[in-house]
Amino acid sequence: TQLLEQSPQFLSIQEGENLTVYCNSSSVFSSLQWYRQEPGEGPVLLVTVVTGGEVKKLKRLTFQFGDARKDSSLHITAAQPGDTGLYLCAGGPGGFKTIFGAGTRLFVKA
Amino acid sequence: DVKVTQSSRYLVKRTGEKVFLECVQDMDHENMFWYRQDPGLGLRLIYFSYDVKMKEKGDIPEGYSVSREKKERFSLILESASTNQTSMYLCASSHLRDRAHEQYFGPGTRLTVT
Repeated sequence: TQLLEQSPQFLSIQEGENLTVYCNSSSVFSSLQWYRQEPGEGPVLLVTVVTGGEVKKLKRLTFQFGDARKDSSLHITAAQPGDTGLYLCAGGPGGFKTIFGAGTRLFVKA
Repeated sequence: DVKVTQSSRYLVKRTGEKVFLECVQDMDHENMFWYRQDPGLGLRLIYFSYDVKMKEKGDIPEGYSVSREKKERFSLILESASTNQTSMYLCASSHLRDRAHEQYFGPGTRLTVT
């Protein structure tokens, strides 16, 4: 069974701090997605990474796909309260079924 | 922008009732999904559909059925609601097989079964 393990599970930081969250698997994924979910809402797709070693930037968010396509990281620079939410990584070996990690719950204090 | 809408944000039903959750997407996506999300258990796939009238079981299909009569609409049916089906239900859609994992979610329906 393919699993995606996210760490840390919970993170509480002050506004302006930097942080990194991780998404790891023992399996190879054809692509990996990152989502952000705010309380009471559905997840919103942030980015897809496909190529091993790929780095994508979305304003203050930097996403990296591991060289072996088994892991990924999300780095946030100068976190703001608006970054608060549940960050989910997801992916699949191909086909329709997507595997979701359990998520990292981020709280940024003003 | 892709828009996925769900028929209700909040729903309260009694044990044994038949419950219909509707999902509509406006981007002509081939694939549609139903998940439930519970604290500590994450997102779990109930059913998905890759074409009209086609459906596939996900990881937890027991107690649920689905219907996809039109491309834009995917319905989840709880034949006889039970308290252990109290959960947040999320519908999603995606385009084509090779981008199936790039999913666009609706706002969710928080269902309480009493």
